[in-house]
Amino acid sequence: DTGVSQNPRHKITKRGQNVTFRCDPISEHNRLYWYRQTLGQGPEFLTYFQNEAQLEKSRLLSDRFSAERPKGSFSTLEIQRTEQGDSAMYLCASSLVVTGSSYEQYFGPGTRLTVT
Amino acid sequence: DAKTTQPPSMDCAEGRAANLPCNHSTISGNEYVYWYRQIHSQGPQYIIHGLKNNETNEMASLIITEDRKSSTLILPHATLRDTAVYYCIVGYSGGGADGLTFGKGTHLIIQP
Repeated sequence: DTGVSQNPRHKITKRGQNVTFRCDPISEHNRLYWYRQTLGQGPEFLTYFQNEAQLEKSRLLSDRFSAERPKGSFSTLEIQRTEQGDSAMYLCASSLVVTGSSYEQYFGPGTRLTVT
Repeated sequence: DAKTTQPPSMDCAEGRAANLPCNHSTISGNEYVYWYRQIHSQGPQYIIHGLKNNETNEMASLIITEDRKSSTLILPHATLRDTAVYYCIVGYSGGGADGLTFGKGTHLIIQP
Protein backbone atom coordinates (compact mmCIF):
# COMPACT_ATOMS: atom_id res chain seq x y z
CA ASP A 1 0.00 0.00 0.00
CA THR A 2 1.63 3.24 -1.19
CA GLY A 3 -0.79 5.52 0.64
CA VAL A 4 -2.52 6.62 -2.57
CA SER A 5 -6.12 5.42 -2.73
CA GLN A 6 -8.53 5.32 -5.64
CA ASN A 7 -12.26 4.76 -5.74
CA PRO A 8 -14.03 2.90 -7.07
CA ARG A 9 -11.68 0.04 -7.90
CA HIS A 10 -13.94 -1.22 -10.65
CA LYS A 11 -16.63 0.51 -12.67
CA ILE A 12 -18.86 -0.95 -15.35
CA THR A 13 -20.93 1.52 -17.30
CA LYS A 14 -22.95 1.67 -20.48
CA ARG A 15 -21.78 3.64 -23.47
CA GLY A 16 -22.93 7.23 -23.29
CA GLN A 17 -23.03 7.43 -19.50
CA ASN A 18 -20.83 9.73 -17.41
CA VAL A 19 -18.42 8.36 -14.83
CA THR A 20 -16.32 9.98 -12.12
CA PHE A 21 -13.28 8.56 -10.36
CA ARG A 22 -11.64 9.81 -7.20
CA CYS A 23 -8.00 9.82 -6.11
CA ASP A 24 -6.73 10.57 -2.60
CA PRO A 25 -2.98 11.23 -2.72
CA ILE A 26 -0.46 11.01 0.09
CA SER A 27 -1.44 13.96 2.26
CA GLU A 28 1.70 16.09 2.04
CA HIS A 29 2.25 15.55 -1.68
CA ASN A 30 1.88 18.66 -3.82
CA ARG A 31 1.73 17.02 -7.24
CA LEU A 32 -0.94 14.64 -8.52
CA TYR A 33 -0.96 12.78 -11.84
CA TRP A 34 -3.52 10.84 -13.84
CA TYR A 35 -2.56 8.05 -16.24
CA ARG A 36 -4.48 5.61 -18.40
CA GLN A 37 -3.38 2.05 -19.12
CA THR A 38 -4.84 -0.29 -21.70
CA LEU A 39 -4.19 -4.01 -21.85
CA GLY A 40 -0.60 -4.90 -22.72
CA GLN A 41 0.59 -1.30 -22.75
CA GLY A 42 2.44 0.84 -20.26
CA PRO A 43 0.61 3.67 -18.51
CA GLU A 44 0.03 6.82 -20.58
CA PHE A 45 0.16 10.24 -19.00
CA LEU A 46 -3.09 12.22 -19.07
CA THR A 47 -2.67 15.28 -16.86
CA TYR A 48 -1.13 16.58 -13.67
CA PHE A 49 -1.76 19.11 -10.93
CA GLN A 50 0.63 21.18 -8.88
CA ASN A 51 -1.45 21.78 -5.76
CA GLU A 52 -4.83 22.88 -7.20
CA ALA A 53 -3.51 24.10 -10.55
CA GLN A 54 -3.79 21.84 -13.58
CA LEU A 55 -0.46 22.44 -15.33
CA GLU A 56 -0.42 20.04 -18.25
CA LYS A 57 -2.85 18.01 -20.31
CA SER A 58 -1.88 15.28 -22.74
CA ARG A 59 -3.40 15.26 -26.21
CA LEU A 60 -4.99 11.98 -25.07
CA LEU A 61 -7.25 14.00 -22.79
CA SER A 62 -10.17 14.70 -25.10
CA ASP A 63 -12.88 17.27 -24.40
CA ARG A 64 -14.96 14.54 -22.79
CA PHE A 65 -12.42 14.24 -19.99
CA SER A 66 -12.13 16.72 -17.15
CA ALA A 67 -10.07 16.62 -13.99
CA GLU A 68 -10.16 18.73 -10.88
CA ARG A 69 -8.19 19.01 -7.68
CA PRO A 70 -10.09 21.41 -5.43
CA LYS A 71 -8.07 22.77 -2.53
CA GLY A 72 -5.06 20.81 -3.67
CA SER A 73 -6.10 17.64 -1.91
CA PHE A 74 -8.09 14.85 -3.56
CA SER A 75 -8.71 14.82 -7.30
CA THR A 76 -11.55 13.66 -9.53
CA LEU A 77 -11.45 12.53 -13.14
CA GLU A 78 -14.73 12.66 -15.02
CA ILE A 79 -15.44 11.10 -18.39
CA GLN A 80 -18.58 12.30 -20.13
CA ARG A 81 -20.46 10.31 -22.76
CA THR A 82 -18.26 7.26 -22.33
CA GLU A 83 -17.18 5.26 -25.37
CA GLN A 84 -15.99 1.67 -25.56
CA GLY A 85 -12.49 2.96 -26.29
CA ASP A 86 -12.43 4.52 -22.83
CA SER A 87 -12.25 1.05 -21.28
CA ALA A 88 -8.93 1.00 -19.44
CA MET A 89 -7.27 1.16 -16.06
CA TYR A 90 -7.10 4.73 -14.76
CA LEU A 91 -4.14 5.29 -12.46
CA CYS A 92 -3.44 8.13 -10.09
CA ALA A 93 -0.02 8.99 -8.70
CA SER A 94 1.31 11.61 -6.34
CA SER A 95 4.69 13.03 -5.47
CA LEU A 96 6.36 15.65 -3.32
CA VAL A 97 8.19 17.92 -5.70
CA VAL A 98 10.89 20.24 -4.47
CA THR A 99 12.56 22.37 -7.13
CA GLY A 100 16.00 21.11 -7.93
CA SER A 101 15.48 17.67 -6.41
CA SER A 102 14.66 14.42 -8.09
CA TYR A 103 11.52 12.65 -6.98
CA GLU A 104 9.49 9.50 -7.38
CA GLN A 105 5.82 9.02 -8.03
CA TYR A 106 3.65 6.83 -5.84
CA PHE A 107 0.83 5.12 -7.66
CA GLY A 108 -2.57 4.06 -6.46
CA PRO A 109 -4.13 0.67 -7.29
CA GLY A 110 -6.12 2.10 -10.19
CA THR A 111 -9.75 2.14 -11.24
CA ARG A 112 -10.67 -0.34 -13.94
CA LEU A 113 -13.35 1.01 -16.25
CA THR A 114 -15.35 -1.22 -18.54
CA VAL A 115 -17.70 0.43 -21.02
CA THR A 116 -20.30 -1.91 -22.47
CA ASP B 1 7.17 8.04 -27.41
CA ALA B 2 9.34 6.29 -24.86
CA LYS B 3 13.00 7.27 -24.98
CA THR B 4 14.16 3.87 -23.80
CA THR B 5 14.56 0.39 -25.29
CA GLN B 6 14.12 -2.75 -23.21
CA PRO B 7 13.86 -6.46 -24.07
CA PRO B 8 10.21 -7.52 -24.01
CA SER B 9 10.78 -10.46 -21.67
CA MET B 10 13.39 -12.18 -19.51
CA ASP B 11 13.57 -15.24 -17.29
CA CYS B 12 15.59 -15.62 -14.12
CA ALA B 13 15.93 -18.46 -11.63
CA GLU B 14 14.73 -17.84 -8.10
CA GLY B 15 17.60 -16.85 -5.82
CA ARG B 16 19.79 -15.63 -8.65
CA ALA B 17 20.51 -12.04 -9.58
CA ALA B 18 18.22 -10.57 -12.21
CA ASN B 19 19.91 -8.09 -14.52
CA LEU B 20 17.55 -5.97 -16.58
CA PRO B 21 19.12 -3.85 -19.34
CA CYS B 22 17.88 -0.56 -20.73
CA ASN B 23 19.14 1.58 -23.57
CA HIS B 24 18.59 5.33 -23.51
CA SER B 25 21.03 6.66 -26.09
CA THR B 26 19.27 10.04 -26.49
CA ILE B 27 19.22 10.91 -22.79
CA SER B 28 19.87 14.56 -22.00
CA GLY B 29 22.42 15.73 -19.46
CA ASN B 30 19.83 16.69 -16.84
CA GLU B 31 17.56 13.68 -17.29
CA TYR B 32 17.36 10.95 -14.68
CA VAL B 33 16.89 7.22 -15.21
CA TYR B 34 13.93 5.87 -13.24
CA TRP B 35 12.86 2.27 -12.76
CA TYR B 36 9.36 1.22 -11.85
CA ARG B 37 7.72 -2.18 -11.82
CA GLN B 38 4.13 -3.30 -12.11
CA ILE B 39 2.90 -6.53 -10.65
CA HIS B 40 -0.17 -7.90 -12.38
CA SER B 41 -3.33 -5.85 -11.70
CA GLN B 42 -1.55 -3.40 -9.41
CA GLY B 43 -0.34 0.17 -9.88
CA PRO B 44 3.31 0.75 -10.78
CA GLN B 45 5.80 0.71 -7.92
CA TYR B 46 8.86 2.94 -7.76
CA ILE B 47 12.14 1.03 -7.47
CA ILE B 48 15.12 3.33 -7.89
CA HIS B 49 16.47 6.25 -9.90
CA GLY B 50 19.82 7.83 -10.70
CA LEU B 51 21.55 10.55 -12.69
CA LYS B 52 25.19 9.60 -13.20
CA ASN B 53 26.40 7.54 -10.29
CA ASN B 54 25.43 3.99 -9.47
CA GLU B 55 22.70 3.77 -6.87
CA THR B 56 21.61 1.10 -4.40
CA ASN B 57 18.65 0.82 -2.09
CA GLU B 58 16.87 -1.95 -0.25
CA MET B 59 15.17 -3.17 -3.41
CA ALA B 60 17.78 -3.00 -6.13
CA SER B 61 20.95 -1.55 -7.60
CA LEU B 62 21.16 0.71 -10.63
CA ILE B 63 24.27 0.71 -12.77
CA ILE B 64 24.56 3.57 -15.28
CA THR B 65 27.29 3.50 -17.92
CA GLU B 66 29.78 6.34 -17.99
CA ASP B 67 28.33 7.74 -21.21
CA ARG B 68 24.81 7.41 -19.67
CA LYS B 69 23.48 5.77 -22.81
CA SER B 70 22.47 2.59 -21.03
CA SER B 71 21.77 1.22 -17.58
CA THR B 72 21.13 -2.06 -15.78
CA LEU B 73 18.75 -2.72 -12.94
CA ILE B 74 19.96 -5.49 -10.66
CA LEU B 75 17.70 -7.44 -8.31
CA PRO B 76 20.34 -9.23 -6.24
CA HIS B 77 18.35 -12.27 -5.07
CA ALA B 78 15.21 -12.62 -7.14
CA THR B 79 12.11 -14.16 -5.57
CA LEU B 80 8.87 -15.30 -7.15
CA ARG B 81 7.27 -12.04 -5.97
CA ASP B 82 9.63 -10.13 -8.27
CA THR B 83 7.75 -11.43 -11.31
CA ALA B 84 6.45 -8.22 -12.89
CA VAL B 85 6.78 -5.81 -15.80
CA TYR B 86 9.78 -3.55 -15.24
CA TYR B 87 9.81 -0.10 -16.81
CA CYS B 88 12.92 1.96 -17.47
CA ILE B 89 12.01 5.63 -17.85
CA VAL B 90 14.01 8.73 -18.63
CA GLY B 91 12.72 11.93 -17.08
CA TYR B 92 13.60 15.25 -15.51
CA SER B 93 13.96 15.92 -11.83
CA GLY B 94 11.42 17.85 -9.82
CA GLY B 95 10.27 21.35 -10.63
CA GLY B 96 9.37 21.54 -14.26
CA ALA B 97 8.89 17.85 -14.80
CA ASP B 98 5.77 16.45 -16.40
CA GLY B 99 4.33 12.96 -16.41
CA LEU B 100 6.39 9.86 -16.90
CA THR B 101 6.57 8.32 -20.37
CA PHE B 102 6.29 4.56 -20.01
CA GLY B 103 7.25 2.13 -22.78
CA LYS B 104 6.18 -1.50 -22.84
CA GLY B 105 8.80 -2.57 -20.32
CA THR B 106 10.40 -5.95 -19.70
CA HIS B 107 8.26 -8.78 -18.42
CA LEU B 108 10.52 -10.51 -15.90
CA ILE B 109 9.51 -14.02 -14.98
CA ILE B 110 11.17 -15.60 -11.96
CA GLN B 111 11.28 -19.36 -12.32
CA PRO B 112 11.15 -21.59 -9.22
